[in-house]
Amino acid sequence: AQKITQTQPGMFVQEKEAVTLDCTYDTSDPSYGLFWYKQPSSGEMIFLIYQGSYDQQNATEGRYSLNFQKARKSANLVISASQLGDSAMYFCAIKSPGNQFYFGTGTSLTVIP
Amino acid sequence: KAGVTQTPRYLIKTRGQQVTLSCSPISGHRSVSWYQQTPGQGLQFLFEYFSETQRNKGNFPGRFSGRQFSNSRSEMNVSTLELGDSALYLCASSLFGLAGGLGTDTQYFGPGTRLTVL
Repeated sequence: AQKITQTQPGMFVQEKEAVTLDCTYDTSDPSYGLFWYKQPSSGEMIFLIYQGSYDQQNATEGRYSLNFQKARKSANLVISASQLGDSAMYFCAIKSPGNQFYFGTGTSLTVIP
Repeated sequence: KAGVTQTPRYLIKTRGQQVTLSCSPISGHRSVSWYQQTPGQGLQFLFEYFSETQRNKGNFPGRFSGRQFSNSRSEMNVSTLELGDSALYLCASSLFGLAGGLGTDTQYFGPGTRLTVL
C-alpha cells in the first residue's frame, strides 16, 4: 500500500514571500509519480505539478517547484512570491502504475496581505 | 480545451432517496475516476471507469455504483442515501487511467457535486 503524509494542517505566509508545504510518502514501488493539487474554497481540485520517481531534476511550473528528495521520500511543494489567490487547501498525492491515487490529508494555506 | 464538467453542482436529498451524478471528461480522455471528499475521511477513491468498464473499485458499499457511456461520460449512482453520504463528490479524468504510465496518468478534476442528505 502507498501512503502520503502531510504534517502541516495549516500554514500562514506573508504575501510575496515563499512558502514550503511538506509531503512525505511511503511506497515499495520503484516507479511512481507524485502530484500536487490545489483546492480553493469552490471545491475544484486544480493540478499544479508532477514529479516522476525517475526524473533527475526537480519539477517546476511557474511559481511552483517541487523539492524532491527521493532517499528521504519527500516531495515538498515550494510556492514562490505568494499571492492572495494562493490561499487554498493543498494536497499531495502518489500513484504508481496500476494503482489508484492516494492523497494526503491536505495543508490549508492562508496568504496574509 | 474544455475541462471536466460535473452536474449538478449542488444537490439536497433526504435519507432513503437515490441520486445520480454526472461527469463529462476532458475531450479525448477515456478514464473517469470518482472520489468522495468529507472533512473526516478526506479524499476517498470510489471507482474508475475506462472504456465503459469498471477497472478499479475502492472500499465502498454496493449502494455506490457507476457506469460509463461510449462517449466517456460517466454517471455515479447512490441508492438508499444515508446521512453519512453528505460529501463533495469529485470526478477526475485522465488519458489512460490508473493503469497508464507515469506522466500520462495525471488526473484533472471537475468542480464537484456537493451532496447534502437530510
